[in-house]
Amino acid sequence: QQPVQSPQAVILREGEDAVINCSSSKALYSVHWYRQKHGEAPVFLMILLKGGEQKGHDKISASFNEKKQQSSLYLTASQLSYSGTYFCGTDQNSGGSNYKLTFGKGTLLTVNP
Amino acid sequence: KAGVTQTPRYLIKTRGQQVTLSCSPISGHRSVSWYQQTPGQGLQFLFEYFSETQRNKGNFPGRFSGRQFSNSRSEMNVSTLELGDSALYLCASFPGGVPLSGYTFGSGTRLTVV
Repeated sequence: QQPVQSPQAVILREGEDAVINCSSSKALYSVHWYRQKHGEAPVFLMILLKGGEQKGHDKISASFNEKKQQSSLYLTASQLSYSGTYFCGTDQNSGGSNYKLTFGKGTLLTVNP
Repeated sequence: KAGVTQTPRYLIKTRGQQVTLSCSPISGHRSVSWYQQTPGQGLQFLFEYFSETQRNKGNFPGRFSGRQFSNSRSEMNVSTLELGDSALYLCASFPGGVPLSGYTFGSGTRLTVV
């Protein structure tokens, strides 16, 4: 089942913060986040495993609330290079030997000078 | 190390024809997944192969099929092409188990059906 991302699009000025949400109606075992720039392949940002951990990657971090079946991606002090479409991918299997990643429709993030 | 390689990059086909797309994963990666990307729909899961076995399949008609070879290279075939099959087809690989380093995507094959 496809996870739901919100918002669909967001426009920021350099230095502003943004939050992108990803929710599922099914239990999740892990959540991935990817960024895709126009005309390029999606690039992996981070994975969050079941356990509610929060991870960080420079000024980009994420949280995973397994009870609510939700994950949020936090972008702080945005830079022009953050522009792109962000996808969350969810694994609803037990993980391990049978991995299937289902992606949301994406959130288009535009950072202006 | 070499990334995920997809060939061809661009393809134009006529309705009713069939097409085969190729994906060479990163060396050592045994899992290959295929996705269809269209505007507004995100990445739609087609299927996933691991060690030559299809482990998962998405909700696509039987016209979409795939296979994986012993060297982990994978091919995807679409028969009786329809206009709606026009899309970017992406493949992604990872070693196996839990992809703690995420999926590595290829640049995709842009298929246009006319």
